[in-house]
Amino acid sequence: AQTVTQSQPEMSVQEAETVTLSCTYDTSENNYYLFWYKQPPSRQMILVIRQEAYKQQNATENRFSVNFQKAAKSFSLKISDSQLGDTAMYFCAFMKEGTYKYIFGTGTRLKVLA
Amino acid sequence: DTGVSQNPRHKITKRGQNVTFRCDPISEHNRLYWYRQTLGQGPEFLTYFQNEAQLEKSRLLSDRFSAERPKGSFSTLEIQRTEQGDSAMYLCASSLAGGQNEQFFGPGTRLTVL
Repeated sequence: AQTVTQSQPEMSVQEAETVTLSCTYDTSENNYYLFWYKQPPSRQMILVIRQEAYKQQNATENRFSVNFQKAAKSFSLKISDSQLGDTAMYFCAFMKEGTYKYIFGTGTRLKVLA
Repeated sequence: DTGVSQNPRHKITKRGQNVTFRCDPISEHNRLYWYRQTLGQGPEFLTYFQNEAQLEKSRLLSDRFSAERPKGSFSTLEIQRTEQGDSAMYLCASSLAGGQNEQFFGPGTRLTVL
């Protein structure tokens, strides 16, 4: 069975600074997808970034980028130039290819300080 | 609003009562998912539909839980004989088959069982 571990329950960062959220996962599969979702307070989850396991190049979306280390089964999220609107719970998720269900980690609560 | 909608947003019930939640997915999405999120945890997969067919159910979905998607559009999740342990946020998500595996989440229904 696959598992996803987020070892940082809470983090804080100063506005405009950079922060990295960690995520590790355990799987014996070779083909899968990894995601970071953001859940702002009292609002619905939205996708931040996704990574296909077969791609070696790390995904980037504007201020968000990942460091995907397949051999180490690590998938960290870097947020550059943090903004107050980045304050949220961040969930790392795994999806095995050919299935359609996410396996989520327990989340990291990020607070961006003014 | 063309996103995923869920009703009701909040439900308080007494132990032993039945409750039903509704999810309206994004209109062209043919896959629909239900997840449950308890405090301090990431969402856990319950079940998913492709069109009207329920294709996978988690073992978390006891026989007190039933989900339907009668015409391949909206879905309902019913919990019979509610227990205090059923208190959670119930999230619905939808996606497009053949899409990039991104699921779009609704705002959730928060269930409190007294």
